[in-house]
Amino acid sequence: NAGVTQTPKFRILKIGQSMTLQCTQDMNHNYMYWYRQDPGMGLKLIYYSVGAGITDKGEVPNGYNVSRSTTEDFPLRLELAAPSQTSVYFCASSYRAGLGTEAFFGQGTRLTVV
Amino acid sequence: AQSVAQPEDQVNVAEGNPLTVKCTYSVSGNPYLFWYVQYPNRGLQFLLKYITGDNLVKGSYGFEAEFNKSQTSFHLKKPSALVSDSALYFCAVRTGGLTGGGNKLTFGTGTQLKVEL
Repeated sequence: NAGVTQTPKFRILKIGQSMTLQCTQDMNHNYMYWYRQDPGMGLKLIYYSVGAGITDKGEVPNGYNVSRSTTEDFPLRLELAAPSQTSVYFCASSYRAGLGTEAFFGQGTRLTVV
Repeated sequence: AQSVAQPEDQVNVAEGNPLTVKCTYSVSGNPYLFWYVQYPNRGLQFLLKYITGDNLVKGSYGFEAEFNKSQTSFHLKKPSALVSDSALYFCAVRTGGLTGGGNKLTFGTGTQLKVEL
C-alpha cells in the first residue's frame, strides 16, 4: 500500500526559482489537500481539491498554484520562490466528504529557499 | 471561526506513568475531533477520532481520548507511557461541510511528548 506519495523529499531553491511539488495517491480518494507546517504554527491549509478539475484556496494560498487533472495527482506549484516559503509541505487525501472522515498524509517535502 | 488550542508546547512524562495531552476547541455546531501523531521526518498518522456517541474514544497504540462537551475539550490519554510514544501530537477539528467547505481540517499547534526512562 503506497498511500500518499510526495516527491521530492528535500529541495533547496534560490529566490525567484520555480518548482512543482508532486503528490499522488492510490486510494481513489476524491479529496486532496496541501498543507505547510512551520515550527510552532501547526499546519496551515494552502489549497484543496474535492475532485478532478476542482480546486479551491485554503488559508494561505498566496504564492502557490495547484491543478487536479486526475483523481490520483495533485501537484503544488511555486512560481517565484521566496524565503517565506521555506517550510515542510504535506499532501493529504481523504475518502469522502463526511465530517468524520480522517485524512491520510504523505511523508512531506522539506523546502528551503535561499 | 473554528479553532483548536493545544496549551502545552511540550509534555514530559516518565515511562510507565499515565500521560495526558490537552486540546480544547471552538466550533459552531457539532465538533468532529481528531488526534494525529507525527514521528520525526514523517507525515502525520491518524490516531483516533470523535464523531458522536461514547465520550471515551479508543484509538491506535493504546491511546484514548475523552470528549467533554461542557469544557470543549478533547484530551489525549494513555494509561502507561512508552519511550516509543515520544513524538509530536496534533489535535484537529473538522471545518466546512459536505459542499463547498472541502472537508477541511483545522489543526492545533502541536504538543511535543517526551517520554523518559
